[in-house]
Amino acid sequence: GENVEQHPSTLSVQEGDSAVIKCTYSDSASNYFPWYKQELGKRPQLIIDIRSNVGEKKDQRIAVTLNKTAKHFSLHITETQPEDSAVYFCAASESFQKLVFGTGTRLLVSP
Amino acid sequence: GAVVSQHPSWVICKSGTSVKIECRSLDFQATTMFWYRQFPKQSLMLMATSNEGSKATYEQGVEKDKFLINHASLTLSTLTVTSAHPEDSSFYICSLPGGNEQFFGPGTRLTVL
Repeated sequence: GENVEQHPSTLSVQEGDSAVIKCTYSDSASNYFPWYKQELGKRPQLIIDIRSNVGEKKDQRIAVTLNKTAKHFSLHITETQPEDSAVYFCAASESFQKLVFGTGTRLLVSP
Repeated sequence: GAVVSQHPSWVICKSGTSVKIECRSLDFQATTMFWYRQFPKQSLMLMATSNEGSKATYEQGVEKDKFLINHASLTLSTLTVTSAHPEDSSFYICSLPGGNEQFFGPGTRLTVL
């Protein structure tokens, strides 16, 4: 089955810096790669996603890149703000069905 | 997007009792729903796939006789934790596929004393 690895587990940046979180997946059948932001005690919130037929997608300060050959995908957050502090999860799925999540990255943005 | 509710939002029970968690789709018919479990400071792990009108599909290592899933209608799936023990204390979240993304319920915090 699918296995998703995520790095780093924690990331501390200064406000205004960029943050990058990386994931790798194992199953070449996976074709949907969402990123979620989760605050304590809350449900995961979709922040951006990418399908396997696209190499890069951007939404304001957030971007995701996908390298299908290497089975890597990354989340890029620019101009970080304190409110970006949360736990971020990557995930992989085949055709928008069950999700296999990465281990999570705790992002701390200091003012 | 789809609106998903869960009930209860939190529950405390004694060891050995059973607890039922409801996942309801308020505006979307779902033949499939997913149940995840999240231990503190850990990731979400898929427990099972709930299929309307048929048996659930459980992930490896998840005891089907302990975690009973019923998906009797297109808008409701239930997860019953039978004979709960402290190690079952966790955050249980359901989701359903809706178009091009998954929609999550708000989660249920289960604490077993």
